[in-house]
Amino acid sequence: EAQVTQNPRYLITVTGKKLTVTCSQNMNHEYMSWYRQDPGLGLRQIYYSMNVEVTDKGDVPEGYKVSRKEKRNFPLILESPSPNQTSLYFCASSWRDGNSPLHFGNGTRLTVT
Amino acid sequence: GENVEQHPSTLSVQEGDSAVIKCTYSDSASNYFPWYKQELGKRPQLIIDIRSNVGEKKDQRIAVTLNKTAKHFSLHITETQPEDSAVYFCAASRAGGTSYGKLTFGQGTILTVHP
Repeated sequence: EAQVTQNPRYLITVTGKKLTVTCSQNMNHEYMSWYRQDPGLGLRQIYYSMNVEVTDKGDVPEGYKVSRKEKRNFPLILESPSPNQTSLYFCASSWRDGNSPLHFGNGTRLTVT
Repeated sequence: GENVEQHPSTLSVQEGDSAVIKCTYSDSASNYFPWYKQELGKRPQLIIDIRSNVGEKKDQRIAVTLNKTAKHFSLHITETQPEDSAVYFCAASRAGGTSYGKLTFGQGTILTVHP
């Protein structure tokens, strides 16, 4: 089944404790991206990647890191999480770039206390 | 950078009525405009998209119109049903130049269809 898999689905952590949210797709898509969803703010792009070893900042990259060492994986890293990073996070992929339909993962609900 | 404004933030209609959601964008170079539907507790899913070389696109009860001159596009849902109740997001992106690959979403519209 073609899908984007995120893990974990739920995560509660404390301020400053490094964490990684994994994202993997099995559709051989070139493009992958991360979004955070907050009430009233819609979906805001954190980082995106057009291909392996190519990553670019989205609209809200501060406090996040990403890497694209393999085509299928695009982990989101929070080196020192803070409470303002409490949010719902979505990973997505598309076959070419941001100009083609996105396939979203099921989301990761992160709480930073 | 691109800025996408979406209105209204909430929309309540009776079953069978039509619903219209509007988005405006700021970057005249944007050329791809998708719409996503997100049901409660679920992931967003694409319902329709349009490119700048087309003025209108339909898919059964759903249609999208694009006015490049005015830089706005709209989602039209006819004969609404309770299962259309969800949050709808518009988005805009460009095919090249600076910010190629960036996708900017609107703030979302909560649509409620009353039986």
